[in-house]
Amino acid sequence: GQSLEQPSEVTAVEGAIVQINCTYQTSGFYGLSWYQQHDGGAPTFLSYNALDGLEETGRFSSFLSRSDSYGYLLLQELQMKDSASYFCAVRVPMTGGFKTIFGAGTRLFVKA
Amino acid sequence: EAQVTQNPRYLITVTGKKLTVTCSQNMNHEYMSWYRQDPGLGLRQIYYSMNVEVTDKGDVPEGYKVSRKEKRNFPLILESPSPNQTSLYFCASSSGGTRPYGYTFGSGTRLTVV
Repeated sequence: GQSLEQPSEVTAVEGAIVQINCTYQTSGFYGLSWYQQHDGGAPTFLSYNALDGLEETGRFSSFLSRSDSYGYLLLQELQMKDSASYFCAVRVPMTGGFKTIFGAGTRLFVKA
Repeated sequence: EAQVTQNPRYLITVTGKKLTVTCSQNMNHEYMSWYRQDPGLGLRQIYYSMNVEVTDKGDVPEGYKVSRKEKRNFPLILESPSPNQTSLYFCASSSGGTRPYGYTFGSGTRLTVV
């Protein structure tokens, strides 16, 4: 089967750095995405990694190691508004295109 | 404004009464998908569509139908809803092979089947 593993909860303090890990087992791989979802809201796209390495977008960075089937989302200078759920998602090849499989999500609590 | 529009936002219905949740996107995206979200289970794919008249089952398709007659619309149909379909549903669209590679999600439909 296909699976993604990420921690269910992470807690950090305001101003700190936090890393949310994601490991995956899939048949085929195009890329790893990260999404943020606040309570009561819809998921919003944060980043996409197709190649090994680090992609940086402001306070958020995302890393991928294809050989280890592993990635992480790094959040720097944490703010209270970063309290949300974060989902990793893997794009896998399908006949004629692709499909996207999501992990169960990591709930991030940012404390003052 | 680029967006995915889902309707309704909230729906309470009775077992067995057919319903349709509509989804429309204005970004000319080829790729559209339906997910359901349940506590602790993340987002599970119901159906997806790679273009007009091309649809395929996701991981939890039982009890659902979809159609893609136009590029912008991708309705989700529950022919005979049951209580285990009570969930939060999201429609999403993506350009597929071009940046940005992520989904744009609709605001969600909270469905309760009694």
